[in-house]
Amino acid sequence: KQEVTQIPAALSVPEGENLVLNCSFTDSAIYNLQWFRQDPGKGLTSLLLIQSSQREQTSGRLNASLDKSSGRSTLYIAASQPGDSATYLCAVRRDTGGFKTIFGAGTRLFVKA
Amino acid sequence: DTAVSQTPKYLVTQMGNDKSIKCEQNLGHDTMYWYKQDSKKFLKIMFSYNNKELIINETVPNRFSPKSPDKAHLNLHINSLELGDSAVYFCASTQSGTVFRPTNEKLFFGSGTQLSVL
Repeated sequence: KQEVTQIPAALSVPEGENLVLNCSFTDSAIYNLQWFRQDPGKGLTSLLLIQSSQREQTSGRLNASLDKSSGRSTLYIAASQPGDSATYLCAVRRDTGGFKTIFGAGTRLFVKA
Repeated sequence: DTAVSQTPKYLVTQMGNDKSIKCEQNLGHDTMYWYKQDSKKFLKIMFSYNNKELIINETVPNRFSPKSPDKAHLNLHINSLELGDSAVYFCASTQSGTVFRPTNEKLFFGSGTQLSVL
């Protein structure tokens, strides 16, 4: 059974700091991994999707890496801004046998001005 | 112009009532989902439909019945609502392809329906 864990559960940093959010999964047979952002009272927005054959994806100040064999992914946020404050969720899609995407519990990020 | 839209946004009802939440996507996706987000903000998959066919049915009480009249719609009907059903319900969609030719598309979410059972 796939389990997704995110560490830390919450993080508070001053503006301008570079930070890393961690995600680990127990079953390495994944098809892809996505990082999402959720603002309070809102839905989820997909930030980056890494296919199982890829090692990383970049979008602006965000960089996500994937190490499938060790069951780990990191989301790197450069030069954090108060507008980055949100909950960041990691999700993995199973490799064949269905279309299930399993989510971690998220990391709540607060960037102080 | 919203990609995944669900209604209503808020739903307050009494225990024992029956209610429905509707979801529509205009992205041409072949797979739609219902997720439940509890008070601890943990997202748990409930159902998935691929081309109107039920693919995933997690351990959800049979008071919850999804219905997909076509690929663009996935509705959720809940009978005999209980206090523990209070949560935010999210609809999502993606283009999954098939087992033999899967695709790598992002998951798109609706803005959620906050259900409060009193």
